[in-house]
Parts: sequence; C-alpha cells; structure tokens
Amino acid sequence: GDSVTQMEGPVTLSEEAFLTINCTYTATGYPSLFWYVQYPGEGLQLLLKATKADDKGSNKGFEATYRKETTSFHLEKGSVQVSDSAVYFCALSGLGGNTPLVFGKGTRLSVIA
Amino acid sequence: SAVISQKPSRDICQRGTSLTIQCQVDSQVTMMFWYRQQPGQSLTLIATANQGSEATYESGFVIDKFPISRPNLTFSTLTVSNMSPEDSSIYLCSVLSGRFVDEQYFGPGTRLTVT
Repeated sequence: GDSVTQMEGPVTLSEEAFLTINCTYTATGYPSLFWYVQYPGEGLQLLLKATKADDKGSNKGFEATYRKETTSFHLEKGSVQVSDSAVYFCALSGLGGNTPLVFGKGTRLSVIA
Repeated sequence: SAVISQKPSRDICQRGTSLTIQCQVDSQVTMMFWYRQQPGQSLTLIATANQGSEATYESGFVIDKFPISRPNLTFSTLTVSNMSPEDSSIYLCSVLSGRFVDEQYFGPGTRLTVT
C-alpha cells in the first residue's frame, strides 16, 4: 500500500537557519503530495501541496518540489523563525483524490532565538 | 476552506465509559474522515463516513468500538466505546475540500484522556 517516510525529529534550529525536512513516498501512480503543520495545541493546517511531477508548492516561505524520479517531497525554508516551531507532517493522497490521506510520522521542529 | 468545529475539545473519562465526539462543518460535504493521533504519533485513519451509507472502517478499527453516525451533510459523530487508557489520543475529523478533491481540512481535534 501507499506509504510516507519522513525524517525523524526532533529538529532544533537557531532562528534564521535553513530548514530541510526530508520526505519520501511509495505510491501507485502519481499521488498528490502535501505538507501539513500542527502548531502547539492546534489542529492540522494545510501548508502546501503539489499535484504532479516537478510542481513546486509554496506558502509562508516554505517550499517543496514534487520529484517523481526520487519519489521525494522535501520541505525547505531559507530562514526559520521561532513562530515556525511546530510538528510537520508529509502526506499523500491517492490517484484521483477523494481518498483519505496517508501521513508520515511527523517531524517536530523547534526554533530557538 | 471549510470551517470545522469539534466538541468537546478535551475530556477526561473513566475506564469502561463511552464518549461521543461531534464534528460540525460550515458547508455541505460528501466525505468525512475520522483520524486518531496517539501521543507523539502520526495520524491513523479510523473510518470514512459518507452521508446515507454505513461508515467504512480501516483495518484494526471496528464499528462496535467506534460507532459513527452521519445524519446529514454537515455533521458526524464518533463514539469511543468501553474506553481503556490505550484510547487516550487526539481524535480529529476532516473533510475534503469542495474545490479540490485531494485537499483535506481538519477540525481542531478532541483530546481524550482515559484514566
């Protein structure tokens, strides 16, 4: 079945550091790929998505590129802020949509001033 | 995006009791999903709830333990029955975006602690 593997956390960075959270997937066909963020005490929010190969999703300074050849969707941000401290989940949706998401295990990011 | 509310936001329950969690959406949606997030873990799908049909449960989850109702296109409930400490989790409902069939929006979650 479909699966998502993302790097283990926690990740601790200083403010303004560069962030990469690795995510790879296994799926039939060409799934849609997502990054969700869960801030402390809150529910999941969609951060960005990409629906086909070479698409780049971006939001709030975060970016991720759908790499079909490496089945990856790594999350990056050039300069993190304390307010980015959260848990980040990589997820995929099966071909055609209308299907539940498959999530990675989540990566906790802590940004210190 | 859809606005989703859940009640209660948190609860502490005794072993052997049941809790019903409500999920309300501000627009009509066809598919709703219930997930469980155990402490420090990722989200696991419990079931898919479509209006007018029985919920479809994932492997490891059964209707007797997690009965679901879906009486209309804006509302659903999940009951956690005969609770044990292992049921302590955050329970989240989600819906598909009406605009993009592959996007899901999540409620704020219900944090359940079973003692």
